[in-house]
Amino acid sequence: DQQVKQNSPSLSVQEGRISILNCDYTNSMFDYFLWYKKYPAEGPTFLISISSIKDKNEDGRFTVFLNKSAKHLSLHIVPSQPGDSAVYFCAATGNTPLVFGKGTRLSVIA
Amino acid sequence: DTGVSQDPRHKITKRGQNVTFRCDPISEHNRLYWYRQTLGQGPEFLTYFQNEAQLEKSRLLSDRFSAERPKGSFSTLEIQRTEQGDSAMYLCASSGSGVISNQPQHFGDGTRLSIL
Repeated sequence: DQQVKQNSPSLSVQEGRISILNCDYTNSMFDYFLWYKKYPAEGPTFLISISSIKDKNEDGRFTVFLNKSAKHLSLHIVPSQPGDSAVYFCAATGNTPLVFGKGTRLSVIA
Repeated sequence: DTGVSQDPRHKITKRGQNVTFRCDPISEHNRLYWYRQTLGQGPEFLTYFQNEAQLEKSRLLSDRFSAERPKGSFSTLEIQRTEQGDSAMYLCASSGSGVISNQPQHFGDGTRLSIL
C-alpha cells in the first residue's frame, strides 16, 4: 500500500521550459512534504519543502504547490536547466520518519 | 565537508557473511536515520535514533539487522547472515531536533551492498 505515489516514472522537458513533477498521497496525517533530488551514485539532496498550513512555497526556480483537498502536490521548475536532470523524490511525514514515492526521472534536453 | 558521511561506499560479500556499515551524521544533528533503497524504489525507512536512543524500527528491519549509536554520534548498521534480498543501497540521514515534520533530513551518499 503506497502512501506516496509518483505516477510518472519519467519526464522529458526542453531547456528553458517549465518542468512539472506530480505527487499524490493517501495519508491524511501527513503534514509536511519535501522534494529531494538524486544524481547517480549520490544520496538524495533536499530541495524544497512545504507545510500543510501553506499551499505554496517558492525558492528561486523551484516552487512547490500543495492541494490538501486533493492530497496532491507538485514541483515546478522554471526555467528548466540541463543540470536539473536527475531523479526527483517526493516525501511526506506526519511527525514520523519520511515516506518516499518511487521517484520521477527528469531529463532536460538542451 | 560537513555533510553526512557513510563508509564503505561499496561492499561486496558472499551470502551468509556479516557486514557492518558506518554513518557519521552532521555534527550538530541529534537525529539519525537509516533507509534502504532498491532499484526503481524510493528510500524505505529502517530505523532512527534520537541521540543514543533507538526510537523506532520498521517491520523491514528483521532480527538479522541491528543498529547502534552508542555515544549519540556515529551509528553502525550490521546485517548478519546476509541474503540475496539484502542487496540494496543503504542510506543514512540526519536532522536536527524539534518536531520531526519541520526538520529536513540530509542524506549521505549511501553504501551499496552486493550479495554474491
